[in-house]
Amino acid sequence: KAGVTQTPRYLIKTRGQQVTLSCSPISGHRSVSWYQQTPGQGLQFLFEYFSETQRNKGNFPGRFSGRQFSNSRSEMNVSTLELGDSALYLCASSLAVLGGSYEQYFGPGTRLTVT
Amino acid sequence: QQPVQSPQAVILREGEDAVINCSSSKALYSVHWYRQKHGEAPVFLMILLKGGEQKGHEKISASFNEKKQQSSLYLTASQLSYSGTYFCGTEMNTGNQFYFGTGTSLTVIP
Repeated sequence: KAGVTQTPRYLIKTRGQQVTLSCSPISGHRSVSWYQQTPGQGLQFLFEYFSETQRNKGNFPGRFSGRQFSNSRSEMNVSTLELGDSALYLCASSLAVLGGSYEQYFGPGTRLTVT
Repeated sequence: QQPVQSPQAVILREGEDAVINCSSSKALYSVHWYRQKHGEAPVFLMILLKGGEQKGHEKISASFNEKKQQSSLYLTASQLSYSGTYFCGTEMNTGNQFYFGTGTSLTVIP
């Protein structure tokens, strides 16, 4: 069974630009969650999508958005990039909604550098 | 609402034991534990649910004190492969809220 895949793996953007990251979950998984990881901050929850609906959102500005398609693939978009958006962006998929007795499977992440 | 993990970092010699703690100020429904090795994605270790149900790897043990909203991960007879950063993720009783802690860096040396 293929794992969670994320594209691209590395990205360099300049301030003010926007970026779209993609995540393909494990086949059969309907929940996709996105996290921002920076040194010292751990894994900051961005949002969760389940069956094409945003189920939950973390404390991030509206510049961060996402969506999920009918095949469960998900994209997240960051508009008007700031230097502080430089981070590793991880997505994770789960069989059912985030939490409870369902573990998450993480992708390798997209390393975003904003200059 | 982000859970607090302690210690922040620990160094062990092979064969030694360690305990990593995770505390929340909110009533919890579940606690999830993950380990992330340097340059890799986090990997699932264990889930503990309110009411006592547990799910995870056989060699990993953990506890969940529902009254204190605390969970502990027990690493016994540590091996070099145990090195990494351990994260707890907590789900609130009210649902729809899931937060990871800031992590505990564990280094096992020969």
